[in-house]
Amino acid sequence: EVQLQESGPGLVKPSQSLSLTCSVTGYSITSNYWGWIRKFPGNKMEWMGYISYSGSTSYNPSLKSRISITRDTSKNQFFLQLNSVTTEDTATYYCARGPVYYYWGQGVMVTVSS
Amino acid sequence: DVLMTQTPVSLPVSLGGQVSISCRSSQSLVHSDGNTYLHWYLQKPGQSPQLLIYRVSNRFSGVPDRFSGSGSGTDFTLKISRVEPEDLGVYYCLQSTHFPYTFGAGTKLELK
Repeated sequence: EVQLQESGPGLVKPSQSLSLTCSVTGYSITSNYWGWIRKFPGNKMEWMGYISYSGSTSYNPSLKSRISITRDTSKNQFFLQLNSVTTEDTATYYCARGPVYYYWGQGVMVTVSS
Repeated sequence: DVLMTQTPVSLPVSLGGQVSISCRSSQSLVHSDGNTYLHWYLQKPGQSPQLLIYRVSNRFSGVPDRFSGSGSGTDFTLKISRVEPEDLGVYYCLQSTHFPYTFGAGTKLELK
């Protein structure tokens, strides 16, 4: 069974970096696409980007140069780093297996606040 | 970016009833490979989103046949018949034809 689990700090200060880990079991991240999606307070959902089976990445231009998605295939994990966060980055962050996002993690709520 | 206009925002329903949710895109979702990458998800309270329908009309494994998807080009519909309590939550459409992928704003299905 494929399982994804996000982990990382629930509170980040403005201007700092948000770093999250998605640990995957039951499936190798060297196959398929592995994405990050966030849900803002309210219902708005935003696709942030993905890292592919080969390690290539695609990002939402709205995040400009703030985002980086990397991976560690030896640990079957992939990572999200979002730099220079503001309060507008407060959201629940999900990792998911693409390209159709069949499987999702349970989500981690991240608050940006001083 | 492709704008996904999802309506209605709120959808009151009686158990056993039938409802439809619309999702319209600002440009055609037909990919150059001929497929249309429009998917539907349900997020129940306190849970992660779950895939219901992929590529317009294909039910994901385990999804009851009360759920059906249809549409083409820029106009898509999710229909739910014989609504059950476990169907309540927020429904989203997602297009993954064009980068960046974009979601509809969500439709909250709730009891009348």
